[in-house]
Amino acid sequence: AAGVIQSPRHLIKEKRETATLKCYPIPRHDTVYWYQQGPGQDPQFLISFYEKMQSDKGSIPDRFSAQQFSDYHSELNMSSLELGDSALYFCASTQGSSGLTDTQYFGPGTRLTVL
Amino acid sequence: AQTVTQSQPEMSVQEAETVTLSCTYDTSESDYYLFWYKQPPSRQMILVIRQEAYKQQNATENRFSVNFQKAAKSFSLKISDSQLGDAAMYFCALIIQGAQKLVFGQGTRLTINP
Repeated sequence: AAGVIQSPRHLIKEKRETATLKCYPIPRHDTVYWYQQGPGQDPQFLISFYEKMQSDKGSIPDRFSAQQFSDYHSELNMSSLELGDSALYFCASTQGSSGLTDTQYFGPGTRLTVL
Repeated sequence: AQTVTQSQPEMSVQEAETVTLSCTYDTSESDYYLFWYKQPPSRQMILVIRQEAYKQQNATENRFSVNFQKAAKSFSLKISDSQLGDAAMYFCALIIQGAQKLVFGQGTRLTINP
């Protein structure tokens, strides 16, 4: 079965640079979620989108922004990168239009390293 | 606010034996869902099992089963006939009905001894 696709899988950036992470949800899934997992930590919710609209927001820095496009893929844009942004960034997807609280299926993650 | 607590940072078990991972949670909501996710060394987050709070019957998926005690707010995972491939970090997670955000516990690292 098709899974969530994230690209790139690995990304190395310098401090103060900008990074863009992409997420392609499972086919027919219309809701995407972004999580950040720091070293040795549990995943922390950043933001979610349903039908191209932001549906919830967690502990996402103002330097980060995200959007969902008409094909339901999502991009997380991170500017003025800091060393502390080094983490594994997960995207997950569900079929939100079902009206049920569905299981979130995760992508493989993007490992961001800020030097 | 919801919280999830996993009090066992590390566990180990002999191959083919049974192990139970503990999880407690706190929420004032009555309608919610609980999950166990597995994160092997590849760091992929893989769903192991899901439990709806309104269901009294404990969920089971092959060698994986849960002991859901709603009144005690406890949600433990039992792995039977442990296999080397079960070695991973296991996260317990909670989501409220209608909410977007999964709240995770701190994780339990499970080692399988051959």
